[in-house]
Amino acid sequence: DTGVSQDPRHKITKRGQNVTFRCDPISEHNRLYWYRQTLGQGPEFLTYFQNEAQLEKSRLLSDRFSAERPKGSFSTLEIQRTEQGDSAMYLCASSLPLMNTEAFFGQGTRLTVV
Amino acid sequence: AQSVTQPDIHITVSEGASLELRCNYSYGATPYLFWYVQSPGQGLQLLLKYFSGDTLVQGIKGFEAEFKRSQSSFNLRKPSVHWSDAAEYFCAVGDPPGLGGYQKVTFGIGTKLQVIP
Repeated sequence: DTGVSQDPRHKITKRGQNVTFRCDPISEHNRLYWYRQTLGQGPEFLTYFQNEAQLEKSRLLSDRFSAERPKGSFSTLEIQRTEQGDSAMYLCASSLPLMNTEAFFGQGTRLTVV
Repeated sequence: AQSVTQPDIHITVSEGASLELRCNYSYGATPYLFWYVQSPGQGLQLLLKYFSGDTLVQGIKGFEAEFKRSQSSFNLRKPSVHWSDAAEYFCAVGDPPGLGGYQKVTFGIGTKLQVIP
């Protein structure tokens, strides 16, 4: 068990470009979460999946954002037509669907839009 | 809506001194409560969690936290701080037990801890 893995760790992109991030959860964790963390703030919930079903999306997830988890394993987060305000750390986490449990976080993908 | 307040943005303590980081939450019932630690450029590591039962919770790295329902608080403590504890600490709340497990979590703004020799 290598923990939650995120790729890439860093991404610099020009404004207007599309970017895609990948998250591989801990095996057997069928819940997967995406959070966004801007400088000086705590993480903010974006969306979560149980298996391949996207069960909840935050209002923060604008139309330019889309998340998928097609086979219930890894997930991708795509941002279209990036804006400077999208610069942030994107964190992925996973958990078991149990009552008294917690999520384990990956090391994040740092996105810089120039 | 649930919310978390961490009133101290920065705290500086001397190595070996005791530490208390404050956390207050707003929620209609008793939520899940968590403390996470984040080193620069890294993800979040869980220090401890409270779901129910004993209100004094022990965590990793010598940390503990006490849930006080009457004060809606979940303060983090450590009796003797080490230089390696310098990091950012986040308090978080989640939906309480009975709603299907860990779901979305609301984080506080974080407290940055500086440790001086």
